[in-house]
Order: sequence, then structure tokens, then C-alpha cells
Amino acid sequence: NAGVTQTPKFQVLKTGQSMTLQCAQDMNHNSMYWYRQDPGMGLRLIYYSASEGTTDKGEVPNGYNVSRLNKREFSLRLESAAPSQTSVYFCASSEAIRESYEQYFGPGTRLTVT
Amino acid sequence: ILNVEQSPQSLHVQEGDSTNFTCSFPSSNFYALHWYRWETAKSPEALFVMTLNGDEKKKGRISATLNTKEGYSYLYIKGSQPEDSATYLCAFMSNSGYALNFGKGTSLLVTP
Repeated sequence: NAGVTQTPKFQVLKTGQSMTLQCAQDMNHNSMYWYRQDPGMGLRLIYYSASEGTTDKGEVPNGYNVSRLNKREFSLRLESAAPSQTSVYFCASSEAIRESYEQYFGPGTRLTVT
Repeated sequence: ILNVEQSPQSLHVQEGDSTNFTCSFPSSNFYALHWYRWETAKSPEALFVMTLNGDEKKKGRISATLNTKEGYSYLYIKGSQPEDSATYLCAFMSNSGYALNFGKGTSLLVTP
């Protein structure tokens, strides 16, 4: 039981390049989330998926797209990376979005955009 | 964006000391309050999810209380140990949205 896994762990991009961050969970959770963590700030929600087939914007969605590929997988895509997207990205999942379920976090992806 | 404030920003205590931190959140439209523990180089792990005013939860030496009417939650650690060193995050969910709004955390260092 791996919980929430993310790939890659580290990535360096040049401005304008694109990439997709992958996330998978094996806990049969319905809801999945993408956050970013920047120094001096709390975790900020980028996008979330309440259930398979649905996605919605969070607090900071600009510059990102997501795909809920199936119940297990939720990917985050940067179409044209910018230095402001340098951050640590965390994927998380929970049994449901509106019930009082805790979120389980992946190990994070450290992204640097030069 | 819902304002969630945590204090203090950082704390340094000696092994064996008891300590507590505060999370302040909007007192209206309350749905749930989460506490997470985040060790360096790891990912956040849930400690508590609290939903009812007056709720008290406990896990080992760590406990939390909730006051939704005045918009605050306290996290207590009794007899701190070096392995308690971590950043403690609280996150607020309102009943008008689906997002968890995280505070910036309280960084705790426990030295022997």
C-alpha cells in the first residue's frame, strides 16, 4: 500500500517548456487535490477533483491544467512554465471532499523554472 | 481566500516541556478544522479533523480543542520530545466551498 505517489521528485525546466506532474493513489479515494508550497506561505490549492470525471479550480489555478485520468490518477500540467511556478507541488487525496475526511499527501515534486 | 492565522510562527522548547499553539479562522460558515504535522523532508500527515464546537481530540501526548463561535483552535503537546519537532499546520474548511485553507504553520523545535 503505497498511499499517494508523485513523479518526478525533482524537475528543472526552462521558461516556456511544458511538463506534466503525475499523481496516483491506491486508497480508492474519491477526491484528489494539487497544492503548491512556497516559502512563507501556506499550502495553496491549485485544482481539485471531487470525484472521477470532475475537476474544479482552487485558489491559484492560472497557468495550470489538470486531468483526472481515472479514480486513481490526477495529473497537473504546466503548458508554458514561468519562473513564478518554481515551487514544491503536493498531490493529496481523501475519501470524499465534503465529509470530514483527512487528506493524505504525496512526497512532493520540487520544480525549478529558470 | 479565507484568512487562517497560526501563532506563534516558531517555537523552541526543551525536552519535557509542554507547549501549545493557536489557529485562528473565520467564525462564520464553519465546516471543519484540520490539524496536520509536517516533518522536514516528508509530507504533511493528518493529526485531527474537528467539526463540532467544543470538540476535544487526543492522540497520545497531542490534543486539540475547537471553539467555532470565536474562531480558534488550540493544539497542545504534553511533555515534548525531540521527535515532536515539526511544522504544525491547521486548515479551515467553510461550508460555502470545498477548499482547505491552510495557515502558514507553527514550526516547533524540541531540543534534548
